[in-house]
Amino acid sequence: TQLLEQSPQFLSIQEGENLTVYCNSSSVFSSLQWYRQEPGEGPVLLVTVVTGGEVKKLKRLTFQFGDARKDSSLHITAAQPGDTGLYLCAGYTTGNQFYFGTGTSLTVIP
Amino acid sequence: DTGVSQNPRHKITKRGQNVTFRCDPISEHNRLYWYRQTLGQGPEFLTYFQNEAQLEKSRLLSDRFSAERPKGSFSTLEIQRTEQGDSAMYLCASSLARGFVSFTDTQYFGPGTRLTVL
Repeated sequence: TQLLEQSPQFLSIQEGENLTVYCNSSSVFSSLQWYRQEPGEGPVLLVTVVTGGEVKKLKRLTFQFGDARKDSSLHITAAQPGDTGLYLCAGYTTGNQFYFGTGTSLTVIP
Repeated sequence: DTGVSQNPRHKITKRGQNVTFRCDPISEHNRLYWYRQTLGQGPEFLTYFQNEAQLEKSRLLSDRFSAERPKGSFSTLEIQRTEQGDSAMYLCASSLARGFVSFTDTQYFGPGTRLTVL
């Protein structure tokens, strides 16, 4: 059992559609981060959220940290083929342990 | 600085052989992490160093695995007597940690070393 479960595991959508990826846990996290990873490369940090209820926007990407700091979501508006990749949430528990989520593989079809 | 580098990028070996990977972190970073990642899954933590001290090791790191960071700069990860189950991407990351582990610590990842054990 993974500490951070992501859903869906796979997502294939048409260019221009919107999507949401979820990251859930039964544990409280001091912070949550979202990464994007392209094939053959390491993960690249997109954002860090630290306050319950916090919302951050990065162009067409909106990140939200749950009020109880146990979950997070990533919403992409008008997806583009360049958004294709593996999206990973990750976070520090209140015990300073760092975990990655199970990953969501996104394919945006032109 | 060009970021975290890892060598080799790819390694194919036969079962039972030993392999060693190298990671060069961002120069001023004091913390260095090793992860293992299988296809389509999230990375799994293996171990991390603060300067030259190895502070934590995952239970995933069996006695066939050893990591060093002798001068607090580059690090090596050695796998002895490789098994087919060791096939994975091995990722290294570094961070600049101020004080004890910080929940805003930002890790910068290298491109990884893909290991294939035949």
